[in-house]
Amino acid sequence: NAGVMQNPRHLVRRRGQEARLRCSPMKGHSHVYWYRQLPEEGLKFMVYLQKENIIDESGMPKERFSAEFPKEGPSILRIQQVVRGDSAAYFCASSLQGQLYEQYFGPGTRLTVT
Amino acid sequence: KQEVTQIPAALSVPEGENLVLNCSFTDSAIYNLQWFRQDPGKGLTSLLLIQSSQREQTSGRLNASLDKSSGRSTLYIAASQPGDSATYLCAVGNRDDKIIFGKGTRLHILP
Repeated sequence: NAGVMQNPRHLVRRRGQEARLRCSPMKGHSHVYWYRQLPEEGLKFMVYLQKENIIDESGMPKERFSAEFPKEGPSILRIQQVVRGDSAAYFCASSLQGQLYEQYFGPGTRLTVT
Repeated sequence: KQEVTQIPAALSVPEGENLVLNCSFTDSAIYNLQWFRQDPGKGLTSLLLIQSSQREQTSGRLNASLDKSSGRSTLYIAASQPGDSATYLCAVGNRDDKIIFGKGTRLHILP
């Protein structure tokens, strides 16, 4: 049973470009979470999605960031018009049930904005 | 607002020693607490999950305790090995359905 998969593992974007980060949850998991880890900081919750629904996006910046989890295919975290401050590691996790059940993390995507 | 603090931020210990990592949280009304391991440039690996009704969990050389009333958890690692070198993260499952992470303790086991 493959774990949570994220791609790409590393992504370099110039300021103003768009970044698309993908996450495939563990087989059978329909709950997906995105977290951001800034250098020397802890992981911060961004958004919680179930298939085709955003359940909680209270941790998402109001502008430029969006997330989706379509019926078919991976969850996508999209960052438009990236800025240097977006450089971070973005982790996806999935669980069988809701947020307070054990979450399994992917290896992360390290975004560098130049 | 829940805050999770991990002390120390970094720790170096000779191989073979037992050690304790500390985690404290400000709001004791939690659902659970989880300890993770993160290797450099890698994702998180869940080590132990303690439900709010439990006092401790054990897995191999690891033992995690939870004292909700005092807002503390400890991760005890017995007979440390160089392979234990990593960052250890404490995460609290809050009653508002959020998971709040500490900044972690960077552990280095000296061969």
